[in-house]
Amino acid sequence: GENVEQHPSTLSVQEGDSAVIKCTYSDSASNYFPWYKQELGKRPQLIIDIRSNVGEKKDQRIAVTLNKTAKHFSLHITETQPEDSAVYFCAAVHSGTYKYIFGTGTRLKVLA
Amino acid sequence: SAVISQKPSRDICQRGTSLTIQCQVDSQVTMMFWYRQQPGQSLTLIATANQGSEATYESGFVIDKFPISRPNLTFSTLTVSNMSPEDSSIYLCSVEATGGAGGYTFGSGTRLTVV
Repeated sequence: GENVEQHPSTLSVQEGDSAVIKCTYSDSASNYFPWYKQELGKRPQLIIDIRSNVGEKKDQRIAVTLNKTAKHFSLHITETQPEDSAVYFCAAVHSGTYKYIFGTGTRLKVLA
Repeated sequence: SAVISQKPSRDICQRGTSLTIQCQVDSQVTMMFWYRQQPGQSLTLIATANQGSEATYESGFVIDKFPISRPNLTFSTLTVSNMSPEDSSIYLCSVEATGGAGGYTFGSGTRLTVV
C-alpha cells in the first residue's frame, strides 16, 4: 500500500524567513496531494493541494511543487508569520479510492 | 465545502465500556471516512463508510472493535467498543469535498480518554 514519508518532523524559522516541508510517496498511482494545517486542539484544514498533472501551484505565500518522477512533493511557505505556527500534514491519494494516506507531520514554529 | 457536526467533542470513559461518535453532514456525500489521531501523531484511516453497504476497514482495525453505521447520505456513527486506555485518542470523521473540489473536510473531532 501507499506510504508517505514527511520531513522534517520539527522546523523552527525566524519570522519572515521561508519554510520548506518535503514528502515522498511510494505508490505511482497516487494522483492528488493535499496539504493540511492543524493548529493545536483544532481540526486539520486544507491549505493547498496539487494534482499529478501539475508541477507547481501557488496561493499567496504558500506553494506546492510536485516531482512525479521522483515521487516527492514539497510545501513552501514564504515570509512566515507567527500564525503559521502549527503542525502540517501532507497526504497522497490513490486515484479512484479517495483514501488519504497522511505523512507523519511537521511541527512548524515561527519565532517572532 | 461541506459542514460537519461531530459529537461528542470530548468524553472520559471507563475501560470496558463503549462510546458512539456521531457525524452529521449538511449535504449528501457518498463516502465518509473515520480517522484516529493519537496524541502528537498523524491521522490513521480506520474505515471508509458508504451508505447502504458495510464499511471497509483498514489493516489493524476490525468491525467488532469499531462498528460503523451509515444509515443515509448525511450521517454516520463510529462506536469504540470495549475500550481500553490504548483507545485514548482523537477520532475524526471526514468527507470528500463537494462540487468537484479537492480535499477532505474534517469534523471537529472527539477527544476520547479511557480511564
